Amino acid sequence: EIVMTQSPATLSVSPGERATLSCWASQSVRNHLAWYQQKPGQAPRLLMYGASTRASGIPARFSGSGSGTEFTLTISSLQSEDFAVYYCQQYDVWPTFGGGTKVEIK
Amino acid sequence: EVQLVESGGALIQPGGSLRLSCAASGLTVSRNIMSWVRQAPGKGLEWVSLIYGGGSTYYVDSVKGRFTISRDNSKNALYLQLNSLRAEDTAVYYCASVPAAGNLGNFFDYWGQGTLVTVSS
Repeated sequence: EIVMTQSPATLSVSPGERATLSCWASQSVRNHLAWYQQKPGQAPRLLMYGASTRASGIPARFSGSGSGTEFTLTISSLQSEDFAVYYCQQYDVWPTFGGGTKVEIK
Repeated sequence: EVQLVESGGALIQPGGSLRLSCAASGLTVSRNIMSWVRQAPGKGLEWVSLIYGGGSTYYVDSVKGRFTISRDNSKNALYLQLNSLRAEDTAVYYCASVPAAGNLGNFFDYWGQGTLVTVSS
């Protein structure tokens, strides 16, 4: 099983600021990495796949990078609706998720 | 518009059984890779099971031999049979679909709203 680790667990950011979330894989997953956003009481929403391809309808302020074992999700200027929990997921082999990063209002 | 609607969650005693359902619209279950993903209260996401269009099925190790994924093409529905339930199976269970186009890989583009399974005596 590929273990996914996310850091930090909680990120406090002011609206309008940049947020950088990290995700590491215990072994290479190539670029088979997806990111999801989840708000309280809601299902996850796909943001990114292929490490850097935005899903349909996702604003350009979201960007993804990385390959192999290190990945980053950047939100360039946080909007009020972006405060949520973010999960990475590898799909190089059977899917596994990271533990999540909560982005909260500073 | 794709909609996935789960049902069947309940409070169930340890050792009991339950069947979860996922009614799909806007996509054809038999032509898509479909999956179940769960989330324990206050915890992260865990992939549980997948069924391919051809019918092959796969499970996370912790549920192998206890859970069974299936589908009914005539009803365009996905199911998860949960047997020998344990307290650690307590979670919201989401039905999710893998993108149909282009063999992009097993990530999930559409999700249902989830159904809660609570295993407790």
